[in-house]
Amino acid sequence: AQSVTQPDIHITVSEGASLELRCNYSYGATPYLFWYVQSPGQGLQLLLKYFSGDTLVQGIKGFEAEFKRSQSSFNLRKPSVHWSDAAEYFCAVAASSGTYKYIFGTGTRLKVLA
Amino acid sequence: GAGVSQSPRYKVTKRGQDVALRCDPISGHVSLYWYRQALGQGPEFLTYFNYEAQQDKSGLPNDRFSAERPEGSISTLTIQRTEQRDSAMYRCASSLVAGGITNSPLHFGNGTRLTVT
Repeated sequence: AQSVTQPDIHITVSEGASLELRCNYSYGATPYLFWYVQSPGQGLQLLLKYFSGDTLVQGIKGFEAEFKRSQSSFNLRKPSVHWSDAAEYFCAVAASSGTYKYIFGTGTRLKVLA
Repeated sequence: GAGVSQSPRYKVTKRGQDVALRCDPISGHVSLYWYRQALGQGPEFLTYFNYEAQQDKSGLPNDRFSAERPEGSISTLTIQRTEQRDSAMYRCASSLVAGGITNSPLHFGNGTRLTVT
């Protein structure tokens, strides 16, 4: 069964600084990988996804993520953080065959300092 | 509708009562998922449907929890004899494609916050 680990519970960065949120997954084959963002009182919004092909994927709001098979990682990055990026970020993995349930990590809460 | 709609938005119930949570997915979406999210945690998978067929219910915590999607559209998650530990945000999500998820990510509703007193 697949699983996801987000090692950082909280991260604080200054506005304009770069950001990297870590995600490690466990799955026997090539997984489907996702990053979602959740703002207070809102549902989860998809930032980006990886299915196959180019390991560097671009998403909305200037985010990108890189799939590294050798490290079982799918870290989320943004070169310059805006105050509006403060939210909770969830990494998710889905199996590429069989049951298609999505497994989410515990999330990383991002705080942005002005 | 334009997005996934869940009702009620908030539900407060007394321990021992049954509750029914409703999810109306995006029109035409084949797959429907239920998740439970405790405060400060990620969404925890409960169950999912393709059309009206329940494909996987391995995440349902116990037999007090059940879900149905009789006509392949609206779904209801029912919790019988609620307990305080059932208090959480219950989220529904839908996806366009059944049986394969390429280019078909989950679209989430805003959830139902259940409080059991």
